[in-house]
Amino acid sequence: EDQVTQSPEALRLQEGESSSLNCSYTVSGLRGLFWYRQDPGKGPEFLFTLYSAGEEKEKERLKATLTKKESFLHITAPKPEDSATYLCAVGSGAQKLVFGQGTRLTINP
Amino acid sequence: DTAVSQTPKYLVTQMGNDKSIKCEQNLGHDTMYWYKQDSKKFLKIMFSYNNKELIINETVPNRFSPKSPDKAHLNLHINSLELGDSAVYFCASSHVSGSFYGYTFGSGTRLTVV
Repeated sequence: EDQVTQSPEALRLQEGESSSLNCSYTVSGLRGLFWYRQDPGKGPEFLFTLYSAGEEKEKERLKATLTKKESFLHITAPKPEDSATYLCAVGSGAQKLVFGQGTRLTINP
Repeated sequence: DTAVSQTPKYLVTQMGNDKSIKCEQNLGHDTMYWYKQDSKKFLKIMFSYNNKELIINETVPNRFSPKSPDKAHLNLHINSLELGDSAVYFCASSHVSGSFYGYTFGSGTRLTVV
């Protein structure tokens, strides 16, 4: 069964303090590793898709990387507006996304 | 110009009632989904439809019945609501082809059963 585990569950950082979020996965036939951002009371918002080990993608202060077993979301010099829950998901051959439980990130000014 | 829209945004109802949630997408996607997000923020798939055909039906009580009148609409009807049905329900859409492009989500419907 496809499975996604994210760590930590919650992370509190000071503004400008860089860190990384982890997403470990097991899947039969990876068809993409996805990162979403979710703000309170809203639906998940797409950030990145990674398709193969070694691939990296960047957007502003965020950078996502992928290995055969895990993905990292690196946050460089975060700002308070980066506070959100970050969700990782894998696309499988069953044409569905399987999500992790998310990491709740808080950036203090 | 909302891409995936759900109505209503909030739904408060008593146990035993029947309710529906509607979803529409204007992205031209061929596949639509219903996901349930529990109190711990865990998103789990319930159903998916491709061009009006049911293709994923996870282990969901048969009180939940999806209906897709066309590929731009996917509704969720829930009979005999129970306290445990309280959650946020998200509709999503995607284009499914050889590559997997991920989903576009709606803003969710918060269902509270009292």
